[in-house]
Amino acid sequence: GAGVSQSPSNKVTEKGKDVELRCDPISGHTALYWYRQSLGQGLEFLIYFQGNSAPDKSGLPSDRFSAERTGGSVSTLTIQRTQQEDSAVYLCASSATTLSPGGYTFGSGTRLTVV
Amino acid sequence: AQTVTQSQPEMSVQEAETVTLSCTYDTSENNYYLFWYKQPPSRQMILVIRQEAYKQQNATENRFSVNFQKAAKSFSLKISDSQLGDTAMYFCAFGVYNQGGKLIFGQGTELSVKP
Repeated sequence: GAGVSQSPSNKVTEKGKDVELRCDPISGHTALYWYRQSLGQGLEFLIYFQGNSAPDKSGLPSDRFSAERTGGSVSTLTIQRTQQEDSAVYLCASSATTLSPGGYTFGSGTRLTVV
Repeated sequence: AQTVTQSQPEMSVQEAETVTLSCTYDTSENNYYLFWYKQPPSRQMILVIRQEAYKQQNATENRFSVNFQKAAKSFSLKISDSQLGDTAMYFCAFGVYNQGGKLIFGQGTELSVKP
């Protein structure tokens, strides 16, 4: 597609439930990033994928968070047993290369609300 | 640890005037990039301007320019001839060359352009 697509746009879930957030990167982009933006805060790095290399998971806040990228394209971020502090906007970005940081295209994010 | 600090949570400017947003960062790296991103209410992050640390010349992009002071680790954004469409959150970000492309973001400055 022309841009990075994220779904759903908004998600409300009950505390303790699992959620899956989806990201469709720009076709041909080998690098894919997930960031979290809590209310009134900057973006916090979560995880990134580059081609067939092992992902850099260093930003995941707990073992309740996981992500996968199938076939080098679509990525899913899964949050298990959601907590209220997980409420945030989750942004995905893709890039043609990881060598020059910031050459990203961002999606519009998924706003997750845990009630 | 690398950090990015934006000390102005909110700013306002009259249409057609000039405004400067501040950003400082801390790093021991020598080869890095700095960015300013704009986030309108649509949530999608848009790259405003980018500066490579090895370049002494300040980057300029139409009405947007930076004042990059490497020794002081300062990277301010100047918006000239402010327009109503410039109203948004502005984030300063930092990334190290060849470290996977992940970025560290500041807390953001909310800019309001008033008619």
